Amino acid sequence: GNSVTQMEGPVTLSEEAFLTINCTYTATGYPSLFWYVQYPGEGLQLLLKATKADDKGSNKGFEATYRKETTSFHLEKGSVQVSDSAVYFCALSSGGYNKLIFGAGTRLAVHP
Amino acid sequence: DTGVSQNPRHKITKRGQNVTFRCDPISEHNRLYWYRQTLGQGPEFLTYFQNEAQLEKSRLLSDRFSAERPKGSFSTLEIQRTEQGDSAMYLCASSLQGVNQPQHFGDGTRLSIL
Repeated sequence: GNSVTQMEGPVTLSEEAFLTINCTYTATGYPSLFWYVQYPGEGLQLLLKATKADDKGSNKGFEATYRKETTSFHLEKGSVQVSDSAVYFCALSSGGYNKLIFGAGTRLAVHP
Repeated sequence: DTGVSQNPRHKITKRGQNVTFRCDPISEHNRLYWYRQTLGQGPEFLTYFQNEAQLEKSRLLSDRFSAERPKGSFSTLEIQRTEQGDSAMYLCASSLQGVNQPQHFGDGTRLSIL
């Protein structure tokens, strides 16, 4: 079946450091890929998405590229801020109903 | 604010009681999803509605769980005879019809079973 695997957290970085959170997936067909972010005490927010191979999603300085050959969708940011501290979820959707399958989430803590 | 609204935000109840949660999706969204999130895990799909029709249910949705979406607007999720293992965050999301439409999530209802 379809599944998503994320690197385990927590990831602890200093402000302005480079961020990578790894995400790999297993899926039949051609899924769409997403990164959602959950700030403390808030609901899930869509951060970025990519719908086909080699697409790059980007938002708020975050980027991820849909790599079909490595079945990966790694999240990157060149310079993190304290306000980026949150839990990040990688997800895929496939099939006609677009239900999402999530990874376990990766907690990011950014210190000044 | 015209986002997805869920009520209540928190529900504490004794084991064996029935609980009902409500979700109000974004008004023009005809797709509605329920997910469950336990501590330290990602959300897991429970069920999906297209307008008023419930088109898919996960195996996670035991006989004690029932969901409705009358008139294709708000939705309710009821859990009967609650058990300790039902403690979780219950999330609702909605989206427009169509491939790759993003799902917009509510803030969730946190259920605690005593």
